[in-house]
Amino acid sequence: QSVLTQPPSVSGAPGQSITISCTGSSSNIGADYDVHWYQLLPGTAPKVLIYANINRPSGVPDRFSGSKSGTSASLAITGLQSEDEADYYCQSYDSSLSAWVFGGGTKLTVL
Amino acid sequence: QVQLVQSGSELKKPGASVKVSCKASGYSFKTYALNWVRQAPGQGLEWMGWINTDTGKPTYAQDFTGRFVFSLDTSVSTAYLQISSLEAEDTALYFCATKGARGRIYWGQGTLVTVSS
Repeated sequence: QSVLTQPPSVSGAPGQSITISCTGSSSNIGADYDVHWYQLLPGTAPKVLIYANINRPSGVPDRFSGSKSGTSASLAITGLQSEDEADYYCQSYDSSLSAWVFGGGTKLTVL
Repeated sequence: QVQLVQSGSELKKPGASVKVSCKASGYSFKTYALNWVRQAPGQGLEWMGWINTDTGKPTYAQDFTGRFVFSLDTSVSTAYLQISSLEAEDTALYFCATKGARGRIYWGQGTLVTVSS
């Protein structure tokens, strides 16, 4: 059971937009700790899509955006492309556990 | 720029030990803590713990006590993860990661450890 809750799967057609939610609690996201979003492809390192809630590293398309409110955060992807098909994870810090915490991951299928 | 470069894949027999390295560059090594994360086959990301790169003090997540040891060689800006008494269930990708300036997270490329007889 992951500390951060994500939907197991989302899907969308090419060109459409999707949102992936990440729900935490008062000891992590709600305590104003940063949320980071990663794209995982099999056998590769997590690619940082969003760091510190809303920031995009250079090279990440502006089709990806992050937001945070209360005890939740979201990753939005607009203009879906086939290469966006991957697993996506959110991550934060939990003060009760004194640990990095991850969501369980969301599999994005581009129809 | 910040880079974390990990050692190559390892194939080990059950009961053996393995030592994975993570060499940092592009910043002052002692400035940021170094975390270790595991991804078992078909599973999600699992935080293993972290090491204070200034004091060398390790902190282990609950599931990673006993057989797992974090260490440093600050003279070469390198962190190590050693796993002893390897079991098949230790087969996984192991990543090092650090949170740098302005909250940016950096990851190593990962080291695949395969435990098989």
